[in-house]
Amino acid sequence: KQEVTQIPAALSVPEGENLVLNCSFTDSAIYNLQWFRQDPGKGLTSLLLIQSSQREQTSGRLNASLDKSSGRSTLYIAASQPGDSATYLCAVQGGSEKLVFGKGTKLTVNP
Amino acid sequence: DVKVTQSSRYLVKRTGEKVFLECVQDMDHENMFWYRQDPGLGLRLIYFSYDVKMKEKGDIPEGYSVSREKKERFSLILESASTNQTSMYLCASSLSGSRTYEQYFGPGTRLTVT
Repeated sequence: KQEVTQIPAALSVPEGENLVLNCSFTDSAIYNLQWFRQDPGKGLTSLLLIQSSQREQTSGRLNASLDKSSGRSTLYIAASQPGDSATYLCAVQGGSEKLVFGKGTKLTVNP
Repeated sequence: DVKVTQSSRYLVKRTGEKVFLECVQDMDHENMFWYRQDPGLGLRLIYFSYDVKMKEKGDIPEGYSVSREKKERFSLILESASTNQTSMYLCASSLSGSRTYEQYFGPGTRLTVT
């Protein structure tokens, strides 16, 4: 059974710092990996989707990488801002249409 | 832009009541999903529908049922609400063959059962 782990569970950084969020998964037979952002009490916003054949995806200050063979993905946030404060979730899709989620990393960016 | 809407942001119901949570998407997506999110447990899939009138159980279907009579609408039904169903409920949709397509989420419904 696929399991997705995100470490650390919480992270606090000063504004302007570059940071990396980690995601690991136990079964490397995935079709894609998706990173989401969730603000308190709100739904999930899709940030990046990396297909299994890809190594990375970029959107603005965000860069996500995927190493399928080692079961790892990272989300790199450059020049962090207070508005980046949120919970970040990763999810993987295997042989069905369903996603398996990690429990998230709660990021706080301090002004 | 894909838009997924949920009928209520906040809902308070009594134990034993029948509860309907509605989700509507406007992008002609084949797949629709219902999740619940609880602190420490993350997101867990309740039910999934891949077409009108088609459904598949997720990881935690007990105490829930679903209805999909039209492509754009997916309803989650709590037949007899219980306090352990107090949670945040999230609906999502995606195109079929979603190995290359993203799941899009609604804003969530915070349900409290008293």
